[in-house]
This record gives sequence, C-alpha cells and structure tokens, in this order.
Amino acid sequence: QKEVEQNSGPLSVPEGAIASLNCTYSDRGSQSFFWYRQYSGKSPELIMFIYSNGDKEDGRFTAQLNKASQYVSLLIRDSQPSDSATYLCAVNSSGGSYIPTFGRGTSLIVHP
Amino acid sequence: EAGVTQFPSHSVIEKGQTVTLRCDPISGHDNLYWYRRVMGKEIKFLLHFVKESKQDESGMPNNRFLAERTGGTYSTLKVQPAELEDSGVYFCASSRRLAFAGELFFGEGSRLTVL
Repeated sequence: QKEVEQNSGPLSVPEGAIASLNCTYSDRGSQSFFWYRQYSGKSPELIMFIYSNGDKEDGRFTAQLNKASQYVSLLIRDSQPSDSATYLCAVNSSGGSYIPTFGRGTSLIVHP
Repeated sequence: EAGVTQFPSHSVIEKGQTVTLRCDPISGHDNLYWYRRVMGKEIKFLLHFVKESKQDESGMPNNRFLAERTGGTYSTLKVQPAELEDSGVYFCASSRRLAFAGELFFGEGSRLTVL
C-alpha cells in the first residue's frame, strides 16, 4: 500500500511568518512530487512540483525534496491570510500508470 | 479557456438509489481522472481514462460503480445502487499529459450524500 502522510493540522501561523508543511511517502520509487492548494469548497490547484533532490523556489514558495529520507516539504515565506487553505501533497506512484497518490492535506491558518 | 466542470455540485439520495455524476474536462485534454474524498480521509484515485479508453480502473471500489467516457469527451460516473459508504466528494481532473509529467486540473467536485 503506497501511502502519503501529512499532519492534518490545523497549522496556525501569524501573518508574515514562515509556514512549513511536511509530507512523507512510502514508495521509494516515486519520481514526481506535487503540492496542491485547496480553498474551502473549491478545486485543488497545483502550486509547486519538484522532481529532483534539493530546493525549488517560486516566489514565496519553496519546495524541498529529500528522496533518501522520503519526505517533501513546502515552505511559505511571508505568509498572508490569503494563504489560508488546505495544502495537499501528491506523489506519483511508480509502475506503469504513474497515478498521483494524495495525502489527507494540512490545513493552514494564517492569522493577522 | 473553461476549466473542468462537474455536475451536480451536490446530490442527496437514499440508499439503494442511483446517481450519475458528470465531468466535462478541459477541451483537448485526453487524460481524465476520477478521485473520491471520503470525510476525514485522503483523496483516493478511482480511475483514469485516456480518451475513451479506461487506462487504469484499479481504484474503483466495486461493481456498483460504472464510469464511461463516450467519444473521449465528457465522462460519467454512475453509482448503482448507492450505499451509505459512498458518501463523499467526487473529483474529476484532466490533463493534457500523463499525470506524472504535468499538472492535474481539478473540478470543484460533486458532493454525494447517501442517506
């Protein structure tokens, strides 16, 4: 059973702080890693993807991947109240179909 | 460009009844995926179409679920007969490339409540 684990939260941070969201996965053969953001009642939308070990930065967002330790994280710098949402970690499964496996998501609350 | 649309947004039915959910993917997206989220759980894969062909239906829970994608355009997911445990939010997603190589574009989901 391929699993993706996330702390459901909520993670509460003050405006302007760094929010750190973590995800671990069980399938050592996984190759692609995605972070989706989902506002309440809305559709998940992709905000970051990472394929290689290390950091990948995009604006206020940084994705970090460590394949040896099987974890991927998302850092949000200068957190804003508009960042309050559920963040879903998705990992592609190894094998023929490469269907992404999702975690339960972490609820982030950024308070003014 | 229109996004992925799903209908209905919410359906309330009684146990034993039938429900059909519809998904219209983004035009030109050959790949269409159905996922389901049961309350408190993760979003779980149900099946994957490439055009009109079922590429992977390993996530379909049982034979009460039937998915079709006629002509490779819109897709329907029928639950017949519905059971209490089928309640949840059913998401449809589409992509131009296979999921591991590109992003999935999700609809807002169809919430199913079985009483």
